[in-house]
Amino acid sequence: DIQMTQSPSSLSASVGDRVTITCRASQSISSYLNWYQQKPGTAPNLLIYATTSLRSGVPSRFSGGGSGTDFTLTISSLQPEDFATYYCQQSYSTPITFGGGTKVEIK
Amino acid sequence: EVQLLESGGGLVQPGGSLRLSCVASGFTFSSNTMSWVRQAPGKGLEWVSTISGSGDSTYYADSVKGRFTISRDDSENTLFLQMNSLRVEDTAIYYCAKNPNRLLEPRDWFDPWGQGTLVTVSS
Repeated sequence: DIQMTQSPSSLSASVGDRVTITCRASQSISSYLNWYQQKPGTAPNLLIYATTSLRSGVPSRFSGGGSGTDFTLTISSLQPEDFATYYCQQSYSTPITFGGGTKVEIK
Repeated sequence: EVQLLESGGGLVQPGGSLRLSCVASGFTFSSNTMSWVRQAPGKGLEWVSTISGSGDSTYYADSVKGRFTISRDDSENTLFLQMNSLRVEDTAIYYCAKNPNRLLEPRDWFDPWGQGTLVTVSS
């Protein structure tokens, strides 16, 4: 099974900050990496698919990068509505696996 | 607009069974692979199962293999998850989600997700 490790598990940041979340796969997954945002009490929402493709309707302040085993999600200027938990997910092979999540909190 | 609406969750004793349903609308249901993903209280996301658009191929997490069965009724635009021999550790919100392709491929993702249905396994 491919293990997905996110770091940090939580972070505190201020509105306007640039935030980067890292996701590392236990083996190469090419570019088959997706990112989701989840707010309390709601279902996850897709932000970025295939490492760099922004889902329609997602603000351009979100961007993704990386390849192979190391990936990043960057929020260029954190907004109040971005405080949430973010998950990476590999689709390279089954079992499909998620990272443990990164909770972004208000400083 | 694509919508997914789950139902069938509830309280069940260990060893019991439940059948979850997910009614889809807003897209050609038979053209898409569909999945179940769960989230235990206060925990992260765990993929459970996926079924191809044709229904010919099914995939399961090891934690549920042999106990859960995924199926679909394309005439009713409905996805199912039959859960048998339930365990306390199966307690979670179960989400159904739409995959982008007819077959499960490496270039794949979950979008959108339903609102979820809570399954509680407890005596």
